[in-house]
Formats: sequence, C-alpha cells, structure tokens
Amino acid sequence: GDSVTQMEGPVTLSEEAFLTINCTYTATGYPSLFWYVQYPGEGLQLLLKATKADDKGSNKGFEATYRKETTSFHLEKGSVQVSDSAVYFCASDGGTSYGKLTFGQGTILTVHP
Amino acid sequence: NAGVTQTPKFRVLKTGQSMTLLCAQDMNHEYMYWYRQDPGMGLRLIHYSVGEGTTAKGEVPDGYNVSRLKKQNFLLGLESAAPSQTSVYFCASSYPRNVERGPGTQYFGPGTRLLVL
Repeated sequence: GDSVTQMEGPVTLSEEAFLTINCTYTATGYPSLFWYVQYPGEGLQLLLKATKADDKGSNKGFEATYRKETTSFHLEKGSVQVSDSAVYFCASDGGTSYGKLTFGQGTILTVHP
Repeated sequence: NAGVTQTPKFRVLKTGQSMTLLCAQDMNHEYMYWYRQDPGMGLRLIHYSVGEGTTAKGEVPDGYNVSRLKKQNFLLGLESAAPSQTSVYFCASSYPRNVERGPGTQYFGPGTRLLVL
C-alpha cells in the first residue's frame, strides 16, 4: 500500500536558521501531497499542498516541491521563528477519489530564540 | 463558522465500557473522516464517509463503529473499550476533489483525548 516516510526527529533550531524536513512517499497512483502543521493542543491545519509533479506549494514562508523522480516532498523554510515550533506531518492521498490521507510519523520542530 | 467540533475533549473509560465520540461540521462538506494519533505513528485512518448514510473502513477499523445519519455529523463508537484504544482521536471533513479546486483540503477538529484503563 501507499506509505509516507518523514525524517526522524525531533529537530531543534535557533531562530533564523534554515529548516529542511525530508519526506518521501510511495504510491501506486498519482497522489497529491500535503504538509500539515499541529500546534500544541490543537488539531492539524493544512500548511501547503501540491497536486502534480514539479508543483511547488508555499505558505507562510514554507515551501515544498513535488519531485516525482525522487518521490519526495521536502519541506523548507529559509528563516524559522519561535512561533514555527510545532509538529509537522507530510501526507499523501494516494491519488484516491475519496481523499483518504496516509500520514508520515510527524516531525517535532522546536525553535529557540 | 465553528468549523469542525468534537465532543468530548477528554474522557477516561474502564476496559469494557462503551462510548460515542461526536464530530460535527458546519461547512457542508461531503466527506468526513476519523483518525487516531499515537506517538511516533502519525495519524491513521479508522473509518470515513463520503456522504450521508455511507461509511467505509480505513486502515485500523477493528473495535470501532461509525454512523453518518446526518451530513453534518459523524459518530465514532467504541462498543467495548480496550487499553489499546487509548489515543487522541481526530475528526476531519473535506469537499470532494474536483477539476477547479483539486483535492479537498481536510479540516480537522481539536481532538478527543481518550484514556482506557
């Protein structure tokens, strides 16, 4: 079946550092890919998405490019802030019609001042 | 709009007890989902529904039942709770994929923390 693998965490950075969180996927179809963010005590929120190869999703300074050749969707941000501290989840819908998501295990990001 | 709401926020059960988790959405979404979140495992799909009166199994359906009698509500039931069902449960809803909007964005509720002793 479909799967999503995220880099093992947690990740600890200083404010203004560069962030990369790796995500790779396997799928039998043509999936759409997502990054969700979960702040402490809250549900998940969509951060960005990409629907086809070479698409770049972006939001709040975060970016991720859908790379079909490497089956990857790495999340990047040039300069992180303390407020970016959260858990980040990569997800794939496997190209299914009903939007069922397969999630990675999540990466805890902590940003220190 | 309240978005997606979940009731209750927290519950403690004894092994063998039953309970129902309620999810409600006010966005007129067709699709609704129940996930469980466990440490180091991300979220896993329990059951989902693509419309009023329909339900289907997800990745980890055993020990759970669901019902979607009204479009805006999606209920998750535990008939006989087990310690392995200790988890945080999230409900989500979305619109179907279409040509203009692409895949539906899933909107999540705040979660229900369940402890089974």
